[in-house]
Amino acid sequence: KAGVTQTPRYLIKTRGQQVTLSCSPISGHRSVSWYQQTPGQGLQFLFEYFSETQRNKGNFPGRFSGRQFSNSRSEMNVSTLELGDSALYLCASSFDSFNQPQHFGDGTRLSIL
Amino acid sequence: QKEVEQNSGPLSVPEGAIASLNCTYSDRGSQSFFWYRQYSGKSPELIMSIYSNGDKEDGRFTAQLNKASQYVSLLIRDSQPSDSATYLCAVNMDAGNNRKLIWGLGTSLAVNP
Repeated sequence: KAGVTQTPRYLIKTRGQQVTLSCSPISGHRSVSWYQQTPGQGLQFLFEYFSETQRNKGNFPGRFSGRQFSNSRSEMNVSTLELGDSALYLCASSFDSFNQPQHFGDGTRLSIL
Repeated sequence: QKEVEQNSGPLSVPEGAIASLNCTYSDRGSQSFFWYRQYSGKSPELIMSIYSNGDKEDGRFTAQLNKASQYVSLLIRDSQPSDSATYLCAVNMDAGNNRKLIWGLGTSLAVNP
């Protein structure tokens, strides 16, 4: 069974640009969550999508947005990139986030120059 | 404020010893609990899920849940240098009209040869 696939694995952008990250969940999983992780920091929750609807949202500015498609694949977009957006962005999927564990992709490492 | 608390460590144990990692949570109604391992620069990987009071064993790992005292722990028997990582505790908690996975900041474990 294929795991969670995130693309791209690495990305370099400059300040002010925008970026779109992609996540394909495990087959059959309908919940997709996105996290930001910076060195030495815990997982910072961005948002969760379930059946194409945003079900939970973290405390990030509106520059961070996401969406989920009918096949459960998800994208997150960051506009007007700032230096502080440099981080590892992780996607995790679960069958049903209420009681089932989340399974993570390898992440996208975003560097802002 | 929904919280999951872990001792940040580092917890240092000699090879072959038992490592004990603890986690407390604030929501008495929580029903699902997860332990993840994260190596530096990598994504978290699920070690174990636990849903009922008591112990759950999987190989060298034992999760212990005490809902009355609101804590969950992870024991690693016969610790190996390859167990050196950050261990994350995650708990499903009430979030308004749905539930949300709340993460601890993790405990850093170092197993010394």
